[in-house]
Amino acid sequence: QSVLTQPPSASGTPGQRVTISCSGSSSNIGSHTVNWYQQLPGTAPKLLIYSHNQRPSGVPDRFSGSKSGTSASLAISGLQSEDEADYYCAAWDDSLGGVFGGGTKLTVL
Amino acid sequence: EVQLLQSGGGLVQPGGSLRLSCAASRFTFSSYAMSWVRQAPGKGLEWVSAISGSGGSTYYADSVKGRFSISRDNSKSTLYLQMNSLRPEDTAVYYCAKDLGYCSGGSCSIWLDPWGQGTPVTVSS
Repeated sequence: QSVLTQPPSASGTPGQRVTISCSGSSSNIGSHTVNWYQQLPGTAPKLLIYSHNQRPSGVPDRFSGSKSGTSASLAISGLQSEDEADYYCAAWDDSLGGVFGGGTKLTVL
Repeated sequence: EVQLLQSGGGLVQPGGSLRLSCAASRFTFSSYAMSWVRQAPGKGLEWVSAISGSGGSTYYADSVKGRFSISRDNSKSTLYLQMNSLRPEDTAVYYCAKDLGYCSGGSCSIWLDPWGQGTPVTVSS
C-alpha cells in the first residue's frame, strides 16, 4: 500500500476534463512539494508537473496541478488519445524519503 | 539535449551483487542531485535512493538501506548504484534520473527530469 493514495483508474472522452487525486499526510504533501509523472506504455516516466503547479518546458498547458493541505490534484483538460498513460504523484516524506503514489491508469474512451 | 545512459543490469542469484551505472552528458553533472527509482514488473514506481550534487548527502528507502549504496564520480559525470545482498523482491527495471531541484537539509525535491532508459535487474536462482 502506497503512502500517497491515488485512484487506480480514471477515464474520459476526447475533449473532456479529467482530474486525478493524490492524498497524503502532513509528513509528505503537507510539508513538501508535489510532483506528477506521466508514463506512456513501455517508456520511462516523464516529469509533468513539479512544485505543485509548475510545468517543465514542452509540457502542454492542458496539464495543471494544485495542492490543498495534504492532498493534490492533476487536471487534464481537452483530453486527447495520446494522454492515455499511467500517472503518478510523488513527494518527499520526512520519515520515508521519496514516495510515489500507486499510480492511476488513464483510459481515453 | 540532456542524456542519461544506463548500464550494468542483468540476472543475478539471490544474495549476489550488481553495480548499475548512469553516464550523464550535456549538463553540468556536479550541479545536480540524482536519484534511482525502480519499477517491479507490472507494478508502480518506487523511489530507491538519492544523492546530492557534491555527493556529500545520500538518502535511501528503508527497503534497500544497508544493502544498496549510491555514489557518483563527478569527474566522469557518472552515477552508480551498488546493490548487495540482492533479494528476489529487488527484481525491477531501475531508472536513474536528474533532479531539477535539490537534495539538501535532509530532503530532496524529487523533480526528476529526465530519466534514463531503464535497466532490468532480475534476482533469481
